[in-house]
Amino acid sequence: NAGVTQTPKFRILKIGQSMTLQCAQDMNHNYMYWYRQDPGMGLKLIYYSVGAGITDKGEVPNGYNVSRSTTEDFPLRLELAAPSQTSVYFCASGTTGLNQPQHFGDGTRLSIL
Amino acid sequence: TQLLEQSPQFLSIQEGENLTVYCNSSSVFSSLQWYRQEPGEGPVLLVTVVTGGEVKKLKRLTFQFGDARKDSSLHITAAQPGDTGLYLCAGGGGQAGTALIFGKGTTLSVSS
Repeated sequence: NAGVTQTPKFRILKIGQSMTLQCAQDMNHNYMYWYRQDPGMGLKLIYYSVGAGITDKGEVPNGYNVSRSTTEDFPLRLELAAPSQTSVYFCASGTTGLNQPQHFGDGTRLSIL
Repeated sequence: TQLLEQSPQFLSIQEGENLTVYCNSSSVFSSLQWYRQEPGEGPVLLVTVVTGGEVKKLKRLTFQFGDARKDSSLHITAAQPGDTGLYLCAGGGGQAGTALIFGKGTTLSVSS
């Protein structure tokens, strides 16, 4: 009963470093999402995917990249970490339609110093 | 650009009190979802309302979708410390290809 699993849970990066945030779901959902959550700002969509091999930009895609080689996995890549990318990152998945309910992971807390 | 305004931003109450949280927009949504997020965890779906005027109850929580599908409310009766958390509303656009719009949330603290 894992649902959506995100790793790591916490990470501290130095400016300019790169890293990949991992996300895996075991519910066979076609739709997957990456959000960032900043204090008092709600959830902002970074990238989304409607199926393996298909990705698209959300509201705040700059500085990030994604790939979707399998239905289960949807990693988020930060190439050149900047302090503005300090945030909590959530991965989510859903069944049909971008406007349908989503299942969220427990987040990755990322600090860039 | 569609926006969802949630109010109040913060709410601190005593156990046993009633409260209402609001989610308002100038845009029409095809559906409205409510999530609760506890510290250190991801949001968890509470309910989806899709019909104007619809009322759904989940134990002590009552959710209502406005007649014009532009607003929604969440009413909690006899709040308990376990209700503490961040409550987020999310609006679904008229087309399946439109991403959810999230409000900024209401942080509720219920003390015993």
